[in-house]
Amino acid sequence: DTGVSQNPRHKITKRGQNVTFRCDPISEHNRLYWYRQTLGQGPEFLTYFQNEAQLEKSRLLSDRFSAERPKGSFSTLEIQRTEQGDSAMYLCASSLSIPKQFFGPGTRLTVL
Amino acid sequence: DAKTTQPPSMDCAEGRAANLPCNHSTISGNEYVYWYRQIHSQGPQYIIHGLKNNETNEMASLIITEDRKSSTLILPHATLRDTAVYYCIVRGDTGGFKTIFGAGTRLFVKA
Repeated sequence: DTGVSQNPRHKITKRGQNVTFRCDPISEHNRLYWYRQTLGQGPEFLTYFQNEAQLEKSRLLSDRFSAERPKGSFSTLEIQRTEQGDSAMYLCASSLSIPKQFFGPGTRLTVL
Repeated sequence: DAKTTQPPSMDCAEGRAANLPCNHSTISGNEYVYWYRQIHSQGPQYIIHGLKNNETNEMASLIITEDRKSSTLILPHATLRDTAVYYCIVRGDTGGFKTIFGAGTRLFVKA
């Protein structure tokens, strides 16, 4: 069990630029989740994949956000035309077909 | 998923037991109680979960009241490294398993 990894760990970008984050889940886990966390708040659910299928999306996931999990393994989260309000920690988690989730260290995004 | 209520912060002396309460009065019969914690600048970490029986693992114990309307997470010998935000979550075992986090309890372990 090598754990969930996320890259990059930190990203600083200018408003209006596009950014992409990657998540590598624990290898046998078929479920993958993205969350967003702002300072002082608990993580907020963004989206969920079972294998390669995106089965649930939060209303927080505006049309500037897109997530993929092309082969049911790693996942990417892209934010287009970033805004200062997108500054947050983006967390990825994975699980087997039970609710116990394993979280990665997160990618901290700063939009200037 | 049922809503939970936790105190915003608690202090505990190093080496003493930390008892973190959680109210979940609207919990339904098939919903589990989960606890996660988040150490500063890290992702949340699963601690323990239970349905109605008390549970214990290498990290903590979970005590659930008989009516299941509240629970207590017990860290038997708190260390400075246990300083973190602790989240109590209630949810069922079907569906997408997304986790709805509240604000949690910020536990400060003091030397």
